[in-house]
Amino acid sequence: GDSVTQMEGPVTLSEEAFLTINCTYTATGYPSLFWYVQYPGEGLQLLLKATKADDKGSNKGFEATYRKETTSFHLEKGSVQVSDSAVYFCALSHSGDDKIIFGKGTRLHILP
Amino acid sequence: SQTIHQWPATLVQPVGSPLSLECTVEGTSNPNLYWYRQAAGRGLQLLFYSVGIGQISSEVPQNLSASRPQDRQFILSSKKLLLSDSGFYLCATGTGNARRQETQYFGPGTRLLVL
Repeated sequence: GDSVTQMEGPVTLSEEAFLTINCTYTATGYPSLFWYVQYPGEGLQLLLKATKADDKGSNKGFEATYRKETTSFHLEKGSVQVSDSAVYFCALSHSGDDKIIFGKGTRLHILP
Repeated sequence: SQTIHQWPATLVQPVGSPLSLECTVEGTSNPNLYWYRQAAGRGLQLLFYSVGIGQISSEVPQNLSASRPQDRQFILSSKKLLLSDSGFYLCATGTGNARRQETQYFGPGTRLLVL
């Protein structure tokens, strides 16, 4: 069945460092791909998404490109801030089906 | 825009006690509704989903149950809680259409601690 694999956390970086959180998926067909973020004490929020191969989702300085050839959707940010400390979830879903499959999440700590 | 309410925000319950978590949705009609659980080290797990009143599908067999008595109300219940039921419970809605833009909206969550 479909699955999402994320890099294990926690990831600890200094402020202004470059961030990459790896995400790969296994799925039939052409799913939509998502990154969700969960800030401390809050629920989940959609960060960005991509619906077809080579699409790039972006929001709040974060980017991720849908790579069909490598079945990946890595999250990147050029310069992280302390306020980016959160748990990040990679996820996929199929057209016409609202169910979402999540990765296990990656906890990110940004040090001032 | 959609708004999802969940209560209570935090709950501490003894093992063996019953559970009732409520989720209500505003700003949409006939939504698909979901219950997720987030347990430490296990990521997000889909528990139940519902495409309409009285229609519940279970993804994972366990001692929890769900009901949808009204279009925009989704309830998660248990007759006897287990320690392993501790976690963060999220209610979510889906776009519910056939287009590709499936986006889920999440409620604020309920933190459950079973002692």
